[in-house]
Amino acid sequence: GQSLEQPSEVTAVEGAIVQINCTYQTSGFYGLSWYQQHDGGAPTFLSYNALDGLEETGRFSSFLSRSDSYGYLLLQELQMKDSASYFCAVRDQNTGFQKLVFGTGTRLLVSP
Amino acid sequence: NAGVTQTPKFQVLKTGQSMTLQCAQDMNHNSMYWYRQDPGMGLRLIYYSASEGTTDKGEVPNGYNVSRLNKREFSLRLESAAPSQTSVYFCAGGGDEQFFGPGTRLTVL
Repeated sequence: GQSLEQPSEVTAVEGAIVQINCTYQTSGFYGLSWYQQHDGGAPTFLSYNALDGLEETGRFSSFLSRSDSYGYLLLQELQMKDSASYFCAVRDQNTGFQKLVFGTGTRLLVSP
Repeated sequence: NAGVTQTPKFQVLKTGQSMTLQCAQDMNHNSMYWYRQDPGMGLRLIYYSASEGTTDKGEVPNGYNVSRLNKREFSLRLESAAPSQTSVYFCAGGGDEQFFGPGTRLTVL
């Protein structure tokens, strides 16, 4: 099976940098994804890492270390609109299919 | 392009009633998924479909059935609703990057 761990809540102020960590255990790891979900909304895709290293997309970056079974999402120049829940998810390759297993999410609260 | 659409947006059922949640995508994805999300929880996979005509169980399939009618449509059916099925249901399509519908908020009394 798979399991993912991420902090339940993180707080930060506008303009700051915040890192949301995710550790995972899976026997069929293929890649790590990150999704953002605002209250009452649907999850939206942020990033996907299949290889070790840092992927940057604007203010958001995502990092993966396969040897450490660890990844993180880095949010820079925080804005109030970044207040949301952030989920890491791993692809399950055991069945030969692109299933995603999600963590329980990290609630980010950005204050003025 | 509408992306992934779901109907209805809200639904209240009594215990034992049945209903079908509809999902459609115009993004030409082979793979489609149904998830449920409970308060403070991540998304749990109910069923998925790798391609038209194929479906398979996810993490929490009990009490649900699905139909992949064609490449565009993937429906989820509750045959006899139970209060434990009160949740928000999301349909998604895609692979490495999944695109989600707006969700159906279901309450079973």
